[in-house]
Amino acid sequence: GENVEQHPSTLSVQEGDSAVIKCTYSDSASNYFPWYKQELGKGPQLIIDIRSNVGEKKDQRIAVTLNKTAKHFSLHITETQPEDSAVYFCAAVWGNMLTFGGGTRLMVKP
Amino acid sequence: DGGITQSPKYLFRKEGQNVTLSCEQNLNHDAMYWYRQDPGQGLRLIYYSQIVNDFQKGDIAEGYSVSREKKESFPLTVTSAQKNPTAFYLCASSIRGGNTGELFFGEGSRLTVL
Repeated sequence: GENVEQHPSTLSVQEGDSAVIKCTYSDSASNYFPWYKQELGKGPQLIIDIRSNVGEKKDQRIAVTLNKTAKHFSLHITETQPEDSAVYFCAAVWGNMLTFGGGTRLMVKP
Repeated sequence: DGGITQSPKYLFRKEGQNVTLSCEQNLNHDAMYWYRQDPGQGLRLIYYSQIVNDFQKGDIAEGYSVSREKKESFPLTVTSAQKNPTAFYLCASSIRGGNTGELFFGEGSRLTVL
């Protein structure tokens, strides 16, 4: 089955700096890559996604890039704010099922 | 408001007891899912259902059971056969199965086995 590796597991940045979270996947047939944000005590929420026919997608301060050849995709958050502090999960679709990465705890220091 | 409701939020259980976690959605979604969340291991799929009266095992179904008698409801039973049941359990739904669309999650149920 699909295997998704996510790095780093924790990330601490200063408010206003950028944050980058990287994921690699194993199945070259995967074609959909969502990112979820989980705030403390809540369920994850979709923040951005990308399909395999696109190399980059941006939504205000967040962007996702996909490199199908290398089988990795990344989440970029610019101008980080304290409310960006959360756990972020990447995921990849294999065989119509989502496989999640292990998560990254992002801490934005004011 | 439309959404997914999980209950209870916190649950304590003695070893050897079965416990059922509730999940209700009013989004009119066809598909529903149960995930288990452990620190550093992401979200692992326990069971999923793409339509009423049908469900399939996920990656870690051993020791768990589900039912899907109504579109709105997908309860999860953690049985005494589950060797390490202490975890955070998340229920989710999507408009249809196939997992190529957005998953909507509940706020989770934290189970602790004493």
